[in-house]
Amino acid sequence: GAVVSQHPSWVICKSGTSVKIECRSLDFQATTMFWYRQFPKQSLMLMATSNEGSKATYEQGVEKDKFLINHASLTLSTLTVTSAHPEDSSFYICSARVGLTTGELFFGEGSRLTVL
Amino acid sequence: GDSVTQMEGPVTLSEEACLTINCTYTATGYPSLFWYVQYPGEGLQLLLKATKADDKGSNKGFEATYRKETTSFHLEKGSVQVSDSAVYFCALSKSGYSTLTFGKGTMLLVSP
Repeated sequence: GAVVSQHPSWVICKSGTSVKIECRSLDFQATTMFWYRQFPKQSLMLMATSNEGSKATYEQGVEKDKFLINHASLTLSTLTVTSAHPEDSSFYICSARVGLTTGELFFGEGSRLTVL
Repeated sequence: GDSVTQMEGPVTLSEEACLTINCTYTATGYPSLFWYVQYPGEGLQLLLKATKADDKGSNKGFEATYRKETTSFHLEKGSVQVSDSAVYFCALSKSGYSTLTFGKGTMLLVSP
């Protein structure tokens, strides 16, 4: 099946710094990518939808100035957590849609962010 | 709005026991239904799916049938293995460009 890769898998940073997470579709072109956040023992919460070449669409309650999303090419989307704080510590997962069919997404392995 | 409700876990079973994880949904129209599995430290993987009523999705010994009359998509396996220990997410998607709505996930722990 289609492969989506995230990098880094783990990142620890100091409070106030910015962290960039990359999401790549390795064997297909992804017009649309999605970013999720997963708190412990909770489900995935959609943060934003990332469309290649245009601005991301953020879900209600997600700070667009804090979570910067860039989808510069059909195979790469990045999430930058700016001025990170301990409450931003979470598991961030990206996914990409294959083609234009109904709902089938392929997920990256996730990136665990710990802010000290 | 659309929603997915799963049974709370953890579900603890011995190897070779039968598994059922309940999932019900609320949605307008005719959503597609999915089960995703998340192994420890990994991202989600599609386990199976069904796109219309009465469809049965199956993979790796797991099955789920799309029941529109009961708005359910329960996950079943006749004989679980230790390697099945993971978190299982039920999800739905509308047709077109929409994304997935997930349930909260159910942790399955299988002991030898």
